[in-house]
Order: sequence, then structure tokens, then C-alpha cells
Amino acid sequence: DVKVTQSSRYLVKRTGEKVFLECVQDMDHENMFWYRQDPGLGLRLIYFSYDVKMKEKGDIPEGYSVSREKKERFSLILESASTNQTSMYLCAGFRSGAPNTEAFFGQGTRLTVV
Amino acid sequence: QKEVEQNSGPLSVPEGAIASLNCTYSDRGSQSFFWYRQYSGKSPELIMFIYSNGDKEDGRFTAQLNKASQYVSLLIRDSQPSDSATYLCAVNQGNTPLVFGKGTRLSVIA
Repeated sequence: DVKVTQSSRYLVKRTGEKVFLECVQDMDHENMFWYRQDPGLGLRLIYFSYDVKMKEKGDIPEGYSVSREKKERFSLILESASTNQTSMYLCAGFRSGAPNTEAFFGQGTRLTVV
Repeated sequence: QKEVEQNSGPLSVPEGAIASLNCTYSDRGSQSFFWYRQYSGKSPELIMFIYSNGDKEDGRFTAQLNKASQYVSLLIRDSQPSDSATYLCAVNQGNTPLVFGKGTRLSVIA
């Protein structure tokens, strides 16, 4: 009954590395989102996509980019990892339309940049 | 700036009691309202959604929505220690990204 899958639960990367976080959904949802979650700051939107090859910046896109070549896959890219990007990263898939009644998260990737 | 406000807690209730979690939102155009439960170190898990004024019940959980007051709540009846978690309220308009509150930490005392 898996709906949204993130490729890694835990990652440790070095400062300056290019990091790829992968997310796949099997719900045939158009809308996919990347959030990061930090203590005291809650969930903050990084990027989102409403369709293949389409992307929109969220509230905190600096230092990140995304790729959506196929409907089911939405990748978050850290161009040059920095220690302030150490965080829990959460991918979500949402069904289109209003009212929206399906909005599911993957299991999360805890990224540590050293 | 669209905002969703929740009391951070912790909210402590004894086992078997009713836990009441509250959320207010600023955007009157919000159409869908979600409650997520998040255990420490885990990702948010969808508990309920609601989009019509009134109450929606699912087992021990009841979501209540009052659009005029821009207020949504979650009641947990017969609270169990396993309900101890952080509860996140989220809202959106149709396809727009979910806007989350920072969550309320619930502790159910056995």
C-alpha cells in the first residue's frame, strides 16, 4: 500500500557535494512537493511541480533545484551541499482538484552534511 | 502571507480522556483541511481531511471545521499512550501547496 517512496532514509554527505534526493509516487498524482522540516521551524516548502517538466519555487528554493522528467518521479538536487542544509526532507504527492482529499508523504530522508 | 497557527504544547491528557487540538488559518480561500500525526523521527501520516463545515468522524477521531471563524479542530476520544505524537494542521486551496502549522505535541499519560 506504498504511495510515496523516497530513495534513502538516511544520508551523510560532505560539504560541496552534489546531492540527489529521489521521490517516486504510485498514485498517478500530478502534484508533487518537496519540504524540509527543522525543529522550531516546521515544514517549509522548497519546490513543487504540477506536471512533467514543470517546476515552481516554494518559500526556500535557494541552494536547491528539482527535476521532473516523468510523472511519477520528482527529484530534489542540492547543487553544492552545505551544513545548513542538514535537515529532514519530505516529499509529498497530492491529488489534483478542489477540494483536495489525498495528500501523502514519503518516509522522509534525514540528510546530514558534514 | 498565508498562516496556519497551532499551539505548540505540549498538551498532556490522561489515558481515556478526550484530547482537543486546535488550528486557525488566515486565508479565507482555503478549501481543504488536513490533520497529520507525526511520531518522532518519522514522516507525517494523514489522519483525516475535511472540506465542509461541521464535523467529520472516523473512529476515535473527529475533525471539526468552521470556515466563518477560520478554525479547524481535531478531537481524539479515548486517548491512548500510542496517540502521543505531534499533530500537524495543514490547509490549501485546490492544487496549491499545503501550508502547515508548526504542530501541537500531544502527550497521553498512562
